[in-house]
Amino acid sequence: EIVMTQSPATLSVSPGERATLSCRASQSVSSNLAWYQQKPGQAPRLLIYGASTRATGIPARFSGSGSGTEFTLTISSLQSEDFAVYYCQQYNNWPRTFGQGTRLEIK
Amino acid sequence: EVQLVESGGGLVKPGGSLRLSCAASGFTFSSYSMNWVRQAPGKGLEWVSSISSSSSYIYYADSVKGRFTISRDNAKNSLYLQMNSLRAEDTAVYYCARAASPEVATFFDYWGQGTLVTVSS
Repeated sequence: EIVMTQSPATLSVSPGERATLSCRASQSVSSNLAWYQQKPGQAPRLLIYGASTRATGIPARFSGSGSGTEFTLTISSLQSEDFAVYYCQQYNNWPRTFGQGTRLEIK
Repeated sequence: EVQLVESGGGLVKPGGSLRLSCAASGFTFSSYSMNWVRQAPGKGLEWVSSISSSSSYIYYADSVKGRFTISRDNAKNSLYLQMNSLRAEDTAVYYCARAASPEVATFFDYWGQGTLVTVSS
């Protein structure tokens, strides 16, 4: 099983600043990596797939990068609605696995 | 508009059974792989099971293999999860999610709002 490790567990950032979230895979997943955003009481929402392709309707301030085992989600200028939990997920191998999440909170 | 609506959750005793359903609309259901993903209270996301568009390929997490059965009815635009021999650790919100391809569960582009399953005596 591929283990996905996200860091940090919690990230405190001020509105308008940049946030950088990391995700590491225990073995290569090529570019088969997705990012999701989840707000309290809501279902997850797809942000990024293929490591760097924004999903439909996702603002340009969200960007993804990386391949192999190291991935990054960057939010260029944080808006109030961006404070949430973010998960990465690999879909290169079975079972599909998620990271444990990074909570992005207001500083 | 793509919609996924789960139902069938509730309180069940350990060792009991429950059947979850997911009603899909707004897209050609028979053209997409479908999935169940769960989230224990206060915890992260855990993939549970996937079924390809024609039911040819089915996959389970080890934690549910032999106890859960995924199925679909393309004529009724519905996805199901039969859960038997339930354990306390199966307590979670269960999400129905569409995968962005017909045969292989890739990433999940649409999610339902979830249905809560509580396993407790």
